[in-house]
Amino acid sequence: QQPVQSPQAVILREGEDAVINCSSSKALYSVHWYRQKHGEAPVFLMILLKGGEQKGHEKISASFNEKKQQSSLYLTASQLSYSGTYFCGTGLKGISGGYQKVTFGIGTKLQVIP
Amino acid sequence: KAGVTQTPRYLIKTRGQQVTLSCSPISGHRSVSWYQQTPGQGLQFLFEYFSETQRNKGNFPGRFSGRQFSNSRSEMNVSTLELGDSALYLCASSSTGTGGETQYFGPGTRLLVL
Repeated sequence: QQPVQSPQAVILREGEDAVINCSSSKALYSVHWYRQKHGEAPVFLMILLKGGEQKGHEKISASFNEKKQQSSLYLTASQLSYSGTYFCGTGLKGISGGYQKVTFGIGTKLQVIP
Repeated sequence: KAGVTQTPRYLIKTRGQQVTLSCSPISGHRSVSWYQQTPGQGLQFLFEYFSETQRNKGNFPGRFSGRQFSNSRSEMNVSTLELGDSALYLCASSSTGTGGETQYFGPGTRLLVL
């Protein structure tokens, strides 16, 4: 049930763009994106709840394709501060619409260099 | 609002011992989830408590247990420690624990089993 993230690692130069993908074999209720810097706790970036929903956070945005059970995180004009490991968490649909456990992928390591 | 706090931050134990980790959620949050983070596996879901009841459980052996108190503080216990239990243990809190909510992570407890 763990979502699959790709790529597993990426190195960017400042100003370059990147896309991180997250896919699930199960029908999704929600997709959560977090960033974790070395030695720190994961920090929330955004949640997408509806199919086709796109959200933005400064130069970081994400889309959610419910039919394909996929989400993509877009980082534009990357900055050094974007370095870290990005996790997607997928909330699976419950049978009765109740609580959906969030399961995280293994993460994508992103390094932005000058 | 104070964030999620976890104690202790670092712990060294030997094989066969047991350990108890503590998590205090954000004030007003009733859901506490526990995750194990290791370099190769990412964030692995352990269990989630809501209003003192375990609502969801991941695929971990029975040596891993937890509980939640009436003030929403949660503890996680690992008995008969194994070398493979060395990891960063993160707890996350949210208001009701539904898949559409933001989870706020604590700084984690780093456990080393020798």
